[in-house]
Amino acid sequence: NAGVTQTPKFQVLKTGQSMTLQCAQDMNHEYMSWYRQDPGMGLRLIHYSVGAGITDQGEVPNGYNVSRSTTEDFPLRLLSAAPSQTSVYFCASSYSPGVAQETQYFGPGTRLLVL
Amino acid sequence: GDSVTQMEGPVTLSEEAFLTINCTYTATGYPSLFWYVQYPGEGLQLLLKATKADDKGSNKGFEATYRKETTSFHLEKGSVQVSDSAVYFCALSSPRTSGSARQLTFGSGTQLTVLP
Repeated sequence: NAGVTQTPKFQVLKTGQSMTLQCAQDMNHEYMSWYRQDPGMGLRLIHYSVGAGITDQGEVPNGYNVSRSTTEDFPLRLLSAAPSQTSVYFCASSYSPGVAQETQYFGPGTRLLVL
Repeated sequence: GDSVTQMEGPVTLSEEAFLTINCTYTATGYPSLFWYVQYPGEGLQLLLKATKADDKGSNKGFEATYRKETTSFHLEKGSVQVSDSAVYFCALSSPRTSGSARQLTFGSGTQLTVLP
C-alpha cells in the first residue's frame, strides 16, 4: 500500500505564479484534507472533502482552491502565489468523516517556497 | 472554539531521561485526543489516542491519560532514546456538529531532541 502520496516534494514559485499540489490515497478513504504547517503554529486546515464532489473550507482557505472528482485524488491549487503561502503542506485522509476517534493518515508533505 | 495548548519547546534530554510534554485542551462535548509524531523530513503519524475520560493511550513506551477534570492529555515516556527525537503534536477531534465533518485541531508542536 502506498498510503497517502504527495507531489512534488519541493517547489519554488515566483509571486503571482499558479500551481497544483497533488495528493492521492489508495485506502478508499472518504475524508481528505489539506493542512499547512508553519513554525510555532502547528497545522492549520485549509480545505477538506467528505467524498467525491463535496468540498468545504477550513480555517485558512483564502488563496487556495480544491476539487474532488474521484475518491482517490484531492489536488490543492494555488491561484496566484504569495510569499505568505511559503509553508509545508500536508495532505491527510481517513475512512470516515464522522467518527471522532478516526485516525488520520498523512502524506510526506510538500515544501513550498514563494519568492 | 476548540483549542489545544501545548508545552513550548524545544526540549532537550539525555538518553534514558524521563519525558513529559504537557497538553491541555478546550472543546465542546467529549473530544477524542491524539498525539501525533513527526520525524525529520516525514509527515505526521499517529502515536497514540484516547477516546473517553480516563482512557490511557500507549504505544512505543509512550503513554497519555485522558483527564477530563483537568482537560489534559500529557505525554510521558519513562526512558527516551535518541530515535525519539522528533516533533510531537497534541490534537483533538470534537464530536460532529450538524453540517460539518470532524476536524483535527492541533497544538503548536514540541520539538524533542534526545542526546546520546
